[in-house]
Amino acid sequence: EADIYQTPRYLVIGTGKKITLECSQTMGHDKMYWYQQDPGMELHLIHYSYGVNSTEKGDLSSESTVSRIRTEHFPLTLESARPSHTSQYLCASSGSGRTAASTDTQYFGPGTRLTVL
Amino acid sequence: AQKVTQAQTEISVVEKEDVTLDCVYETRDTTYYLFWYKQPPSGELVFLIRRNSFDEQNEISGRYSWNFQKSTSSFNFTITASQVVDSAVYFCALRESGYSTLTFGKGTMLLVSP
Repeated sequence: EADIYQTPRYLVIGTGKKITLECSQTMGHDKMYWYQQDPGMELHLIHYSYGVNSTEKGDLSSESTVSRIRTEHFPLTLESARPSHTSQYLCASSGSGRTAASTDTQYFGPGTRLTVL
Repeated sequence: AQKVTQAQTEISVVEKEDVTLDCVYETRDTTYYLFWYKQPPSGELVFLIRRNSFDEQNEISGRYSWNFQKSTSSFNFTITASQVVDSAVYFCALRESGYSTLTFGKGTMLLVSP
């Protein structure tokens, strides 16, 4: 089981503010992911990273940006929050195993519920 | 392209009933991995199980069991003697070999009433 942390757990903020959602993991996993989940339950991958200085956009276009300067840290930033950004944001990480049959199971953090007024 | 379908949007049962959550997947890859996650009201996704495409052996873990059938591209999840604490959204997911990203189904909300 991975240890992965997200802060804050809840955030209510006004339109136009810059915000950063923090995600850290202590398992030494090389891969990290950000998902957006709307009240309709569906999960959308918005960013992922295969390692330090590597970031990719996911399936859902997002105005957020990410960085991966350290293996354990994968913050997500919104330069100017809008009500349409109101959602739950879930961070996950996975790591390759020692054998060819790597499981690469993703483990998730507790999520950040963001509300933009 | 890969796809995961969870046709049941919401299921309601009474405590102690057995319930099966369906998952059907599509992939052209011969090597792939299937997952189930549980999302309780607290919001965190909890990993339940991973299955390799080359291992069709069914698995039982306490009240949970999983039935993997490649012939029907299904990976169904059964909870025996359901409990109120089983109330959650359950997601099925697929990962193809060579990729780290997951394709999730839309989830099934399970409501277990006392």
